Order: sequence, then structure tokens, then C-alpha cells
Amino acid sequence: GNSVTQMEGPVTLSEEAFLTINCTYTATGYPSLFWYVQYPGEGLQLLLKATKADDKGSNKGFEATYRKETTSFHLEKGSVQVSDSAVYFCALRAGGFKTIFGAGTRLFVKA
Amino acid sequence: SQTIHQWPATLVQPVGSPLSLECTVEGTSNPNLYWYRQAAGRGLQLLFYSVGIGQISSEVPQNLSASRPQDRQFILSSKKLLLSDSGFYLCAWIRGPPAKDEQYFGPGTRLTVT
Repeated sequence: GNSVTQMEGPVTLSEEAFLTINCTYTATGYPSLFWYVQYPGEGLQLLLKATKADDKGSNKGFEATYRKETTSFHLEKGSVQVSDSAVYFCALRAGGFKTIFGAGTRLFVKA
Repeated sequence: SQTIHQWPATLVQPVGSPLSLECTVEGTSNPNLYWYRQAAGRGLQLLFYSVGIGQISSEVPQNLSASRPQDRQFILSSKKLLLSDSGFYLCAWIRGPPAKDEQYFGPGTRLTVT
């Protein structure tokens, strides 16, 4: 079946550090891939997405590239801010009714 | 534009009491609707989804139930709450029929069972 695996947290960084959160997936066919962000006490918001191989999704300084050869969709940001502290979820949709989510990675950014 | 509402925002209920959480979506028709639960510090657990009025699929056997009385209304209920029902409940929608688009989430309801 389809699945998403993302790196366990928490990840703690200092402000302006480089961020990578790893995400790999297993899916049949050609899924769409997503990163969602959840700030404390809120629902999930779409951060970025990619719908086909080699697409790069980007938003608010975050980027992720759909790598079919390595079945990966790693999230990166060149310089994190305290306001980026949140939980990040990698997810995929392969055309069925369900979205498959990873377990989430909590990010703490220290000033 | 589409908007999703959930209420109440927070709820404190005693064990054994009933529950009703409501979710409504504006700005779209015939959405696929979802209820998720998130325990403290944990990931998302899909509870129910619905592809149309009166059509409910249950993912996890438990003392919760869901109903969809109108196209854009989704209700989560329980007759008798358990301590383990505490958590953050999220409603979400996606345009139907099945596609590869993103889900949109509501603001959530924080439920504490005491």
C-alpha cells in the first residue's frame, strides 16, 4: 500500500540555520506530493505541493523537489526563523479518497 | 473562495457525556469530507470520510460516529465519551471525485474529556 516516512523530530535549530526534513514515499502510479504545516493550536495548512516528477514546489522560502528515482520529497529552507517553529507533515495522494500523511516532524527554532 | 468552519473551538466534557462536533464548508459543492483526530504530540488519525450525503466510511472502530445530513455539513458524534477520546479534531475537505489535489483543513476543535 501507499505510505509516507518522514524523519523523526523534534528538530531544533538556531535562527538563520539551514533546514532539511527528509520525506520518502511508497506509492503505485504517480502521486501528488505535499508538505503541510501546523502551527500550535491550529489546523493544517498547505505549504507546498508537486504533482509530477522533477517538479519543485516552493512557498515562503521553503522548497521541495519531487524525486521519483529516489521516491523522495525533502523539505528545505535556507534560513529558518523563529516563526517557522511548527509541525511539518509530508503527504501524498494517489487518486483514491484518502491522503496518506507522515507522522509529522516538530521543528523548534531558537532565537 | 472556499472556507471551512468548525465549532466549537474548545470543549471540556465529562466521561460518559454525549458529543457533537460540527463542520461546514462554504464555496464548493459535493466535496469529499473527512474527520481526523490528533492526540497530543501525535500524527493524524483518519476517523471517517464521506463522499456524499448520507454516505459515511469508518476507518477505525470506536465509540464515535459521523453523519452528513447536508452536502456541506459533516457531524461527529458520540453517545458516551471516553477519556481516550480527548484530542484535537480536524475536519477537512477535498473536491470530488477522487483526485490528486490537496486537502483543506478547518481550525480544529480541542476536546478534553475529564
